[in-house]
Amino acid sequence: GQQLNQSPQSMFIQEGEDVSMNCTSSSIFNTWLWYKQEPGEGPVLLIALYKAGELTSNGRLTAQFGITRKDSFLNISASIPSDVGIYFCAASYGKLTFGQGTILTVHP
Amino acid sequence: NAGVTQTPKFQVLKTGQSMTLQCAQDMNHNSMYWYRQDPGMGLRLIYYSASEGTTDKGEVPNGYNVSRLNKREFSLRLESAAPSQTSVYFCASSRGTDNTIYFGEGSWLTVV
Repeated sequence: GQQLNQSPQSMFIQEGEDVSMNCTSSSIFNTWLWYKQEPGEGPVLLIALYKAGELTSNGRLTAQFGITRKDSFLNISASIPSDVGIYFCAASYGKLTFGQGTILTVHP
Repeated sequence: NAGVTQTPKFQVLKTGQSMTLQCAQDMNHNSMYWYRQDPGMGLRLIYYSASEGTTDKGEVPNGYNVSRLNKREFSLRLESAAPSQTSVYFCASSRGTDNTIYFGEGSWLTVV
């Protein structure tokens, strides 16, 4: 079946640092999504990507749909303490598949 | 802006008891889902309903049943709860099965 390999599994960074995480697969997809889950809440959509090569920003967040349609990355610039949470990638080609998540900890 | 609403938020069950988690969405979405989330396991799909009147097994369906009551509501039932079903359960919905999924706030279930 379709599997997403999300890395890194966890990150411990200082406030102000930039963050980069990615998802890769051996399968091609036509949609890539990035979600954030804060403690005690459900995942919330951050960015949706619908076209290979697409680069989309949402404030300090930037995500790209890989040109091969098999990968995507999410960057967070100038991290702040409220960026803490679990970030999930998800990709779809008829059915949505989730990555395992990246746990982000930001030290003030 | 209700979106996806699920109840209860917290529940403690004894082994062998049954219960139903309720979910409703007000976005006129066709597809609805139940996921469970365990530490280190990410989100695992239990069951989904691609459209009203249909349900299908996901990755981890054993021990669960679902009912798509109408377009708005999709319930998850544990007939005989087991400690292995201690988890956080998320209901979600989307316009179609390959569209963006929107999640509820989660239900924390503990089976003792």
